[in-house]
Amino acid sequence: GDSVTQMEGPVTLSEEAFLTINCTYTATGYPSLFWYVQYPGEGLQLLLKATKADDKGSNKGFEATYRKETTSFHLEKGSVQVSDSAVYFCALSEGGTSYGKLTFGQGTILTVHP
Amino acid sequence: DAEITQSPRHKITETGRQVTLACHQTWNHNNMFWYRQDLGHGLRLIHYSYGVQDTNKGEVSDGYSVSRSNTEDLPLTLESAASSQTSVYFCASSGGPSGYNEQFFGPGTRLTVL
Repeated sequence: GDSVTQMEGPVTLSEEAFLTINCTYTATGYPSLFWYVQYPGEGLQLLLKATKADDKGSNKGFEATYRKETTSFHLEKGSVQVSDSAVYFCALSEGGTSYGKLTFGQGTILTVHP
Repeated sequence: DAEITQSPRHKITETGRQVTLACHQTWNHNNMFWYRQDLGHGLRLIHYSYGVQDTNKGEVSDGYSVSRSNTEDLPLTLESAASSQTSVYFCASSGGPSGYNEQFFGPGTRLTVL
């Protein structure tokens, strides 16, 4: 079945550091890929998405590129802020008859210090 | 503003009791989903519905049931609560049939089974 693997955390960075969170996937079809963010005590919010190979999703300074050849969707940000501290989830959806069911990675806790 | 709400936000119950968690959305979305979040596992799909009277089992459906009698609500019932069902539960909804559509998440219910 489909699966998503994220880099082990937690990740601790200083403010203005560069962030990379690795995500790789296994899927039989051509999935859509997502990054969701969860701030403390809240539900998940969509951060960015990409629906086909070579698409780049971007939002709030975060970027991720859909790499079909390496089955990856790594999240990057050039300069993190304290307010970026949260849990980040990579997810995929097969689409088509799957009607949007999401398969999530295990999540990566990010802590940014001033 | 449209939203998705869950109640209660926190619940403590005893082993063997029946528990129902409520989910209500005002987006008028056809698709609704229940996930559980556990450390090291990310979010896992319990049940989902693509419309009124439609329900489907997800990855971890044993011990849970849902029913969909209207568009707005998808209550999740634990027939006989077990300690293994201690978790944080998230409800989500999405509007369209394709995997491209964003899922909107509720704030979560933290359930403790003693």
